[in-house]
Amino acid sequence: DQQVKQNSPSLSVQEGRISILNCDYTNSMFDYFLWYKKYPAEGPTFLISISSIKDKNEDGRFTVFLNKSAKHLSLHIVPSQPGDSAVYFCAASRGNTPLVFGKGTRLSVIA
Amino acid sequence: DTGVSQNPRHKITKRGQNVTFRCDPISEHNRLYWYRQTLGQGPEFLTYFQNEAQLEKSRLLSDRFSAERPKGSFSTLEIQRTEQGDSAMYLCASSLEVGFYGYTFGSGTRLTVV
Repeated sequence: DQQVKQNSPSLSVQEGRISILNCDYTNSMFDYFLWYKKYPAEGPTFLISISSIKDKNEDGRFTVFLNKSAKHLSLHIVPSQPGDSAVYFCAASRGNTPLVFGKGTRLSVIA
Repeated sequence: DTGVSQNPRHKITKRGQNVTFRCDPISEHNRLYWYRQTLGQGPEFLTYFQNEAQLEKSRLLSDRFSAERPKGSFSTLEIQRTEQGDSAMYLCASSLEVGFYGYTFGSGTRLTVV
């Protein structure tokens, strides 16, 4: 059973516009949600996270929104840059249990 | 510290052979994780250690897989009698604790079983 779901395998956005990546989860016990970014032939790198007691966390061009009632989170990138082109993974954890990852969304930012 | 180091980066082996991968975590991190990633999938949890103790193993970790972390430092993942279905990227990560900061991944070892 997929506890963390990223239903869009890919997304294309024009440079300078907003990219919105979505993630749904099924386990209401998750208390941390994280986004990782992955370039080819590299390991995932941590991007931004949010605690379940918050509904928004912002870091520069990246903002994560959490809607607990809908069990949904999203990552907004504004403005999108060509260097943002990568695969983005949503992940979640409960306490100190190992992270559970979604299948990823490939973002392509077109110049 | 240069981050999480994994060796080798690539490994090609014949079906039925044994392979061993090594992971050197960030030195102050007490937790070490192994994940596997196949094409079109996200990283899937295999096992993790807190110091030298192996605390959890996924049902994905068949009895052909074994992992160790002697003295709570580096870790090895061994696959015995490899099968073509074992072909994947094997990712190692380390952390102090999960929570808000997640963990730091290595670049992975890509295994191809022919």
